[in-house]
Amino acid sequence: GDSVTQMEGPVTLSEEAFLTINCTYTATGYPSLFWYVQYPGEGLQLLLKATKADDKGSNKGFEATYRKETTSFHLEKGSVQVSDSAVYFCALRWSGGSNYKLTFGKGTLLTVNP
Amino acid sequence: AAGVIQSPRHLIKEKRETATLKCYPIPRHDTVYWYQQGPGQDPQFLISFYEKMQSDKGSIPDRFSAQQFSDYHSELNMSSLELGDSALYFCASSLSAGTDTQYFGPGTRLTVL
Repeated sequence: GDSVTQMEGPVTLSEEAFLTINCTYTATGYPSLFWYVQYPGEGLQLLLKATKADDKGSNKGFEATYRKETTSFHLEKGSVQVSDSAVYFCALRWSGGSNYKLTFGKGTLLTVNP
Repeated sequence: AAGVIQSPRHLIKEKRETATLKCYPIPRHDTVYWYQQGPGQDPQFLISFYEKMQSDKGSIPDRFSAQQFSDYHSELNMSSLELGDSALYFCASSLSAGTDTQYFGPGTRLTVL
């Protein structure tokens, strides 16, 4: 079945450091890929998405590129801020049939220190 | 912009009691999804509805049932609650079943004592 594997956390960085959170997937066909962010005590917010190979999703300084050849969708940010501290979830949604559920990775806790 | 509304935000129940969680999708969204997130876990898909019909089913216990109403809001009914049902329950909505982006509500935190 479909699955998402994220790098295990927690990840602790200093402010203005470079961030990479790795995400790889296993899926039949060509899924859509997403990054969601969950701030402490809050719900899931869509951060960015990509729906086909080589698409780059970007938002709030975060970027991720859909790499079909490596089945990856790594999240990057050039300079993190304390306010980026949250749990980040990589997710996929298969684009075929009637199965529209999101399959999530285990989540990566990011802590950014001033 | 209007978001997904969930009620209640917090709920405390005893074992073997019942609970009803409500979800109001973003206006014009006709598809609703329910997810369960245990402590420190990733969200797990429970069930979804499109145009008031069940469209997909995940790891939802038989003790749980759900439906979508004519105004597209949805309710998740949980009976014979167990300690292990304590979790954050998210509802998400999308513009149609074929649209990629699911927008999540703030969640209902259910605690079973």
